[in-house]
Amino acid sequence: SQQGEEDPQALSIQEGENATMNCSYKTSINNLQWYRQNSGRGLVHLILIRSNEREKHSGRLRVTLDTSKKSSSLLITASRAADTASYFCATDPLNQAGTALIFGKGTTLSVSS
Amino acid sequence: DVKVTQSSRYLVKRTGEKVFLECVQDMDHENMFWYRQDPGLGLRLIYFSYDVKMKEKGDIPEGYSVSREKKERFSLILESASTNQTSMYLCASSLTSGGRNNEQFFGPGTRLTVL
Repeated sequence: SQQGEEDPQALSIQEGENATMNCSYKTSINNLQWYRQNSGRGLVHLILIRSNEREKHSGRLRVTLDTSKKSSSLLITASRAADTASYFCATDPLNQAGTALIFGKGTTLSVSS
Repeated sequence: DVKVTQSSRYLVKRTGEKVFLECVQDMDHENMFWYRQDPGLGLRLIYFSYDVKMKEKGDIPEGYSVSREKKERFSLILESASTNQTSMYLCASSLTSGGRNNEQFFGPGTRLTVL
């Protein structure tokens, strides 16, 4: 069951620009997580934001969460070619102990030098 | 660092063969997961396990089974491989399954081709 939907599906930017990806979801959550996947590899966890948090930073990453709109955004500042990857949001549904995260279909980011 | 390893990076099998995909994690995580990833469809959960010998069906369990005899090892079994099971298979583990500490750690993936 797909809960998170990332937007846009694909994004192409120049090195040094900022990249913003959005995620919308349907049900209440414990937390929302962002992952990165380099081509042909497994996913790597980037950042987790809890339902009672509104913003979180990690290096060049900034994540916001708006539970009233059921949406989140991931901002990558000063993008580098190495940021080229697919980015996925994943939600942890509230009050569903023993369930798995629900992943969206991802945003493919291409950063050109 | 958590390490999740998968038995093969690439695998080619024939239709009808029984296929075993192995996944091992070294951080004493309670939960383990198997996903398949196809272009345009994102990650789809096949099965997960929150304890030894426990398993739960995900979104697409048909044609698959799993085994978790030891905490660190979670196996995905294709009883009779079919061409529509050609895909990238990703294994993951997490410390818990809800609320805190449920970040997932992924293996490198197995790209399975069924001919």
